[in-house]
Amino acid sequence: GNSVTQMEGPVTLSEEAFLTINCTYTATGYPSLFWYVQYPGEGLQLLLKATKADDKGSNKGFEATYRKETTSFHLEKGSVQVSDSAVYFCALRNFGNEKLTFGTGTRLTIIP
Amino acid sequence: DGGITQSPKYLFRKEGQNVTLSCEQNLNHDAMYWYRQDPGQGLRLIYYSQIVNDFQKGDIAEGYSVSREKKESFPLTVTSAQKNPTAFYLCASSATQGTEAFFGQGTRLTVV
Repeated sequence: GNSVTQMEGPVTLSEEAFLTINCTYTATGYPSLFWYVQYPGEGLQLLLKATKADDKGSNKGFEATYRKETTSFHLEKGSVQVSDSAVYFCALRNFGNEKLTFGTGTRLTIIP
Repeated sequence: DGGITQSPKYLFRKEGQNVTLSCEQNLNHDAMYWYRQDPGQGLRLIYYSQIVNDFQKGDIAEGYSVSREKKESFPLTVTSAQKNPTAFYLCASSATQGTEAFFGQGTRLTVV
């Protein structure tokens, strides 16, 4: 079956630091890959996505590249801000399968 | 504005009572989902529906029930059979296969 493994948290960084949150997956075929963000007390918001190998998703300074050869979709940001503090979820969805498979989430805290 | 509306945001229930959580979407999406989130944990799928009058169990369906009488609506009932119902419940919807899901703001259920 499908599975997503992401970096254990919590992660604490200083403002303007470089961020990487690792995400690897197991799936048959060519799934679509997603990063979602959840702010305290709220639902999940789509941060970025990639639908085929070598695609790069980007939004709000965050980037992730779909690497088929390493089955990875690591989230990166060059300079984090306090407002980036949230929980980040990596997810995948196979074409023909309606279910999204989520990782366990990584809590990120940015300190001024 | 299009989106997913969950209500209420906070809900308190006495032990032994059933309670229904509302989820409405005006995105014209075919598929709808219910997830449960416990503190510090990822999302677990309760039920999902791909079409009106049809739904499937997810990974933790015991103690829950759903209906899908209209495309726009997918209410979740937490029954008295659910042993540990206190959690954050998230509803989501998606359009076609392989695309991202959009989430509501969640309902926090507390059993008192």
